[in-house]
Amino acid sequence: QSALTQPPSASGSPGQSVTISCTGTSSDVGGYNYVSWYQQHPGKAPKLMIYEVNKRPSGVPDRFSGSKSGNTASLTVSGLQTEDEADYYCSSYVGTNSLVFGGGTKLTVL
Amino acid sequence: EVELVESGGGLVQPGGSLRLSCAASAFTFSSYAMSWVRQAPGKGLEWVSVISGSGGNMYYADSVKGRFTISRDNSENTLYLQMNSLRAEDTAVYFCVKIKIPRVLRPADFDYWGQGTLVTVSS
Repeated sequence: QSALTQPPSASGSPGQSVTISCTGTSSDVGGYNYVSWYQQHPGKAPKLMIYEVNKRPSGVPDRFSGSKSGNTASLTVSGLQTEDEADYYCSSYVGTNSLVFGGGTKLTVL
Repeated sequence: EVELVESGGGLVQPGGSLRLSCAASAFTFSSYAMSWVRQAPGKGLEWVSVISGSGGNMYYADSVKGRFTISRDNSENTLYLQMNSLRAEDTAVYFCVKIKIPRVLRPADFDYWGQGTLVTVSS
């Protein structure tokens, strides 16, 4: 199973919005509504930010939102804050009890 | 608060073995499937394996199938990963992760992560 495709980097100024894409195929992103997004700060464990495409766990700010269209999922961060600077990874269930991650996107808050 | 604490990482020679442990607390361990996810130095995340809450069903990534074995002891609230025939490309931080939805085996929606334990495979 190939990794999902994410842009290596993204950036935005404080207060702006940025969207990170995650492109797969009909066998993963397009075939299941089990896309998740994780935030990882340097040296830390990843943190679940979005699950099942667009659901936010308790405690995650509503500035973070997820969506999906066809084989591409997206994470949008609105009202960028300095603490949002981190690596972001998408993942998708691919059936047969298996999972694939994206390559990760480094978000820089300018 | 849910806590996952991994241990057992270290330096091992190619072809060697290592067993990782993950001590879980503050949730009904047997009700949740658990997974291992790894991250090679400077690289992205890679899903490794998942085990059902009862321990009766296990699944693996192709990259570790036949070499790694996931197991759990629900009486001790502990998750394990037995790693055999280790290769240089297995070098990574290994994270123990909890699946968000109870009684679901599907490896997705990892809501709690341990701090990770580093496994280095080198001669």
